[in-house]
Amino acid sequence: EVQLVQSGAEAERPGASLKISCKASGYNFPNYWIGWVRQMPGKGLEWMGVIYPDDSDTKYSPSFQGQVTFSVDKSINTAYLQWGSLRASDSATYFCARSMNSAWDFDTWGQGTPVTVSS
Amino acid sequence: SSDLTQDPAVSVALGQTVTITCQGDSLRSHYATWYQQRPGQAPILVIYNMNKRPSGIPDRFSGSHSGDTASLTITGTQAEDEADYYCNSRDSANYPLRMFGGGTRLTVL
Repeated sequence: EVQLVQSGAEAERPGASLKISCKASGYNFPNYWIGWVRQMPGKGLEWMGVIYPDDSDTKYSPSFQGQVTFSVDKSINTAYLQWGSLRASDSATYFCARSMNSAWDFDTWGQGTPVTVSS
Repeated sequence: SSDLTQDPAVSVALGQTVTITCQGDSLRSHYATWYQQRPGQAPILVIYNMNKRPSGIPDRFSGSHSGDTASLTITGTQAEDEADYYCNSRDSANYPLRMFGGGTRLTVL
């Protein structure tokens, strides 16, 4: 069974750094793009970008370029989303998802990681 | 504009047919993908490549496309179809990146 399991909820202060994870199982992790999607409280989905685990090729949406960093550790089939300095506006639920094709259609999603940034 | 526009809310009577639309310039060149999101849950892929259904998605869900508009149709709507529906397609201004529409809240009466 293809599965993505994300790390648990986080609560941080503004200015803190944070790295959340997305562990894949049930398929050949290096060969499928992983995407990240933000959902702010009560709002819609926002496409953040994708990373190809095999070579770490990364595509960021302009809205998120320079604000977050995608990375992977192929040895443990895990993708990461990280912030160097959190802001209150980063409070949201973040989903990772596996792309089923080169068009970046996401056929499997993680359960989401809620991130709260508050002083 | 590179946006994808959806009606914020649509309602349908149980057992009836409903169509949810998504409009945007990028749809003149690229197909739409549709995701369903029930409250408190992760999204689910329901339609990709305009009209293809992943394994496990009921055949009452179908997709279509004309000009700058993509449509998701649910035939014989069930109570469990009550959810938010998001279209997704290429962002023509930032190709090959993708973007979501604002979402449509479907209420089943």
